[in-house]
Amino acid sequence: DVKVTQSSRYLVKRTGEKVFLECVQDMDHENMFWYRQDPGLGLRLIYFSYDVKMKEKGDIPEGYSVSREKKERFSLILESASTNQTSMYLCASSFGGTSYEQYFGPGTRLTVT
Amino acid sequence: GENVEQHPSTLSVQEGDSAVIKCTYSDSASNYFPWYKQELGKRPQLIIDIRSNVGEKKDQRIAVTLNKTAKHFSLHITETQPEDSAVYFCAASLPFGGATNKLIFGTGTLLAVQP
Repeated sequence: DVKVTQSSRYLVKRTGEKVFLECVQDMDHENMFWYRQDPGLGLRLIYFSYDVKMKEKGDIPEGYSVSREKKERFSLILESASTNQTSMYLCASSFGGTSYEQYFGPGTRLTVT
Repeated sequence: GENVEQHPSTLSVQEGDSAVIKCTYSDSASNYFPWYKQELGKRPQLIIDIRSNVGEKKDQRIAVTLNKTAKHFSLHITETQPEDSAVYFCAASLPFGGATNKLIFGTGTLLAVQP
């Protein structure tokens, strides 16, 4: 059974703080993704990675960076948190190749005050 | 750019009725179309998917149809039950590089099944 875990379910940070969101998957997936979920806007892709140390910008990368030093772990970094980054953040992973199904983590609800 | 439109944004049906959610996509390179269900406070989970080489797929009470020419695909839920109440997301794949695909998601449909 695929398991994708995220480091926190709820997080409260102050404006200007550096924030790290961690995601770990245990199925040796090649691809990992970070999404932001806001009401009425669906799931928007922030960044994704198709291999260790490889990263690609998604649709809304501004204000975010990522790190993938190990295959199983993909981190999302908010360099200087702002209130408009208050949101639900979802991590996902997939095998790659012709297997496109993405498996999601439970999400981290981040509040920036 | 790539875009997936989803309608309606909210849908309320009586228990036992059918529900239909429709999506359109813009990129002809899309060849994989999943549907995810997200219950309140939980993670999205895949409920059914279809690839571009078939026009319809069914799994018990849920079915998905695909019209490649019109770039439309739809989710059909028959004999709805209260436990079908959730947010449903459609998505379309987009190739990236040689062997990687990303998904573009629709904006979601909140389905409420009234007992």
